[in-house]
Order: sequence, then C-alpha cells, then structure tokens
Amino acid sequence: GDSVTQMEGPVTLSEEAFLTINCTYTATGYPSLFWYVQYPGEGLQLLLKATKADDKGSNKGFEATYRKETTSFHLEKGSVQVSDSAVYFCALSDRKAGTALIFGKGTTLSVSS
Amino acid sequence: DAGVIQSPRHEVTEMGQEVTLRCKPISGHNSLFWYRQTMMRGLELLIYFNNNVPIDDSGMPEDRFSAKMPNASFSTLKIQPSEPRDSAVYFCASTLRDNEQFFGPGTRLTVL
Repeated sequence: GDSVTQMEGPVTLSEEAFLTINCTYTATGYPSLFWYVQYPGEGLQLLLKATKADDKGSNKGFEATYRKETTSFHLEKGSVQVSDSAVYFCALSDRKAGTALIFGKGTTLSVSS
Repeated sequence: DAGVIQSPRHEVTEMGQEVTLRCKPISGHNSLFWYRQTMMRGLELLIYFNNNVPIDDSGMPEDRFSAKMPNASFSTLKIQPSEPRDSAVYFCASTLRDNEQFFGPGTRLTVL
C-alpha cells in the first residue's frame, strides 16, 4: 500500500541555519503531497502542498518540490528561526476526493538562538 | 471561520468509564476524520466519514471504540470502557476538496 517515510528526528539547528527534512513516498498512482506542521499543544496545520510532478509548494519561507523520478518531497528552508520549532509531517493522498491522508511519523525540529 | 471545533480540550477519567469526544467540522466540509496521536505510535487514522457515512474504520483499535456522525455538523468518538492505554491526543479533521485537511486543536485524554 501507499506509504510515507520521513527522516528520523529530532533535528537540532541554530537560528539562521539551512533546513532539510527528507521525505520519500511509495504510491501506486499520482498522489498529492503535503507538509503539515504541529506547534506545541496545537493541531496540525497545512504548511504547503503540491499536486503534480515538478510542482513546488512554498509558504513562510519553506519549500518542497514534488519529484516523481525520486519519489521525494523534501522540505527546505534557507534560514530557520526559533519560531519554526515544531513537528513536521509529510503526507500523501490519493487524488480521489474524500480519501484519507497517509502521514509519515513526523520529524521534530528544535531551533536555538 | 471558526475552524474545526473539538470538545472537551482535556479529559481525565478513570479506567472503565465511558468517554465521549465531540467534533464540529468546518461548515460545508463533507469529509471528517478522527486521528489519535501518541508518542509511541505517532499519528494514527481511526475512522473517516464521507457525507456522514463511515468509509473506513479499519484503524479503530477494538470494539470499545465507536464513532458516529448523525449529521454534517457533528461527530462523536466514544470509548467504552476506557483503559489507560487509550490515553492520547485525539484529533478531528475535515476537508472539502483537494484533500487539504483542517485539524481541530485536539482533545487530550488521560485515563487513570
């Protein structure tokens, strides 16, 4: 079945460092891909998404490119801030509306000043 | 836009008691999802509904868990009887299109 694999955390960085969180997927079709972020004590929020190959999703300085050839959707940010400390989840879904998301296990990011 | 509303935000109960978690999806959304999050198992899909009809409940741990969606604006997740291993944060999410799910703030359940 479809699945998502994320790099294990925690990831610990200093402020202004470059961030990469790896995400690869296995899917039989052509899924949509998502990154969600969960701040402490809160629910998940959509960070960015991409619906077809070579699409780049971006938001709040974060970017991820849908790479069909490598089945990847790595999350990047050029300069992290302390406020980016959170848990990041990669997810995929079948294009069929109303189907459930398949989430990775999440990667905890901790940014220190 | 009030977002997805969940109640209660925190619930502490004793083993054996019945627990009912509530969710109000975003108005107009036609799919609703219940998730459970723990440190050990991460984020797990329990059940989801399309147009108030349960589609996939394979994630429901056992018969002690049940979920209903009597109308488009309300859903419940019930645990009876509750056990300490049910302690987790339970999230409800809803979606209309593109499978972009909107999550509620969660209910933190502690079973003593």
